[in-house]
Amino acid sequence: DQQVKQNSPSLSVQEGRISILNCDYTNSMFDYFLWYKKYPAEGPTFLISISSIKDKNEDGRFTVFLNKSAKHLSLHIVPSQPGDSAVYFCAASGDYTGTASKLTFGTGTRLQVTL
Amino acid sequence: DTEVTQTPKHLVMGMTNKKSLKCEQHMGHRAMYWYKQKAKKPPELMFVYSYEKLSINESVPSRFSPECPNSSLLNLHLHALQPEDSALYLCASSQDPFRDTEAFFGQGTRLTVV
Repeated sequence: DQQVKQNSPSLSVQEGRISILNCDYTNSMFDYFLWYKKYPAEGPTFLISISSIKDKNEDGRFTVFLNKSAKHLSLHIVPSQPGDSAVYFCAASGDYTGTASKLTFGTGTRLQVTL
Repeated sequence: DTEVTQTPKHLVMGMTNKKSLKCEQHMGHRAMYWYKQKAKKPPELMFVYSYEKLSINESVPSRFSPECPNSSLLNLHLHALQPEDSALYLCASSQDPFRDTEAFFGQGTRLTVV
């Protein structure tokens, strides 16, 4: 049961253009959402997060949008740069089981920024 | 300092071997995690330690044994592994297990079981 889904396994964008990565979730208990960037054979690097009390959060070139009613979030990268080429995971937390929160990851989207 | 350090970076072990993976953070984080990631798959949670106590075990086989000796260290002891256990093992930490904050990940240990 995949509670966090990224339906686009890959995305190719030209340098300087906007990259839009999408993520859908099914668990209504999730209330905090994160985006991570991952290079091969390395650990995920935290990019940006958003709480469910907000619908937008910006940090430099990265903006995350949250639509709670649609259970959908997206990451916008503007302008896209070649160094942004990586796998992007969305993650969600808030479904407390046991005595601690845990992150549930989406399936990932491979972004390729071309020259 | 937002660093989580994992050792070793690479490990090859036989099915009868015993080995340990180590993880260290000095950010004062009170939640620490082990994740397993297979190729082209998302990280999957294995264990959560909350204030040095095992809080979540995601039905992980007993051939994986976690240990949290103190608030900065997390170990994963491995024994009698199978080739299908070959994967990238990621350690992470976060500030508070009861608050929604970002988790910081180490570089991972690439484990190959032969």
